Amino acid sequence: RKEVEQDPGPFNVPEGATVAFNCTYSNSASQSFFWYRQDCRKEPKLLMSVYSSGNEDGRFTAQLNRASQYISLLIRDSKLSDSATYLCVVISNTGKLIFGQGTTLQVKP
Amino acid sequence: DTGVSQDPRHKITKRGQNVTFRCDPISEHNRLYWYRQTLGQGPEFLTYFQNEAQLEKSRLLSDRFSAERPKGSFSTLEIQRTEQGDSAMYLCASSLVSRTAIDGYTFGSGTRLTVV
Repeated sequence: RKEVEQDPGPFNVPEGATVAFNCTYSNSASQSFFWYRQDCRKEPKLLMSVYSSGNEDGRFTAQLNRASQYISLLIRDSKLSDSATYLCVVISNTGKLIFGQGTTLQVKP
Repeated sequence: DTGVSQDPRHKITKRGQNVTFRCDPISEHNRLYWYRQTLGQGPEFLTYFQNEAQLEKSRLLSDRFSAERPKGSFSTLEIQRTEQGDSAMYLCASSLVSRTAIDGYTFGSGTRLTVV
């Protein structure tokens, strides 16, 4: 079983739609979680950290459910520019980033 | 120093040749990581250094792979006797680790290796 699992998609949604991605992690001791965004043939870039209380950054909301060991990302009012791969990331106890496979989002006009 | 630099950006090599990649981290970062990413997958951890010490290596890092960070600044990743399965994007990242936090993970643009 992979340490971090995501549905690879692709998710094809129209502009303006709300879309949600989920991710599960296997190590219950994990403490830090992130969502990264990766554009085609580019490096991953930090989108947002995920806090236990949930956090919001504009149209993006991240949630953490420790009991079920899953993390979610909600994107409201999708824009064409949101088309990318979204990577769920967990920090291991040694401080390295562990990535999920990534979920591909394609926002259509 | 505005980010993590990797060189070269692209490398095409024949099977069996050796290749070496370089990563220059953000200067104040004490940790440096190497990842490998193949199409349709997330980045997979290879190894990391804290200053000049190599603290962890993945099982993915076969005997043909070696990484160094001799002075705790830049790092090199060498692949000997390349195989077609080594074709991937090799990503470097750096971060600042203190006793209480790990911060500032930043990735370089990667080196795309194609083995023909």
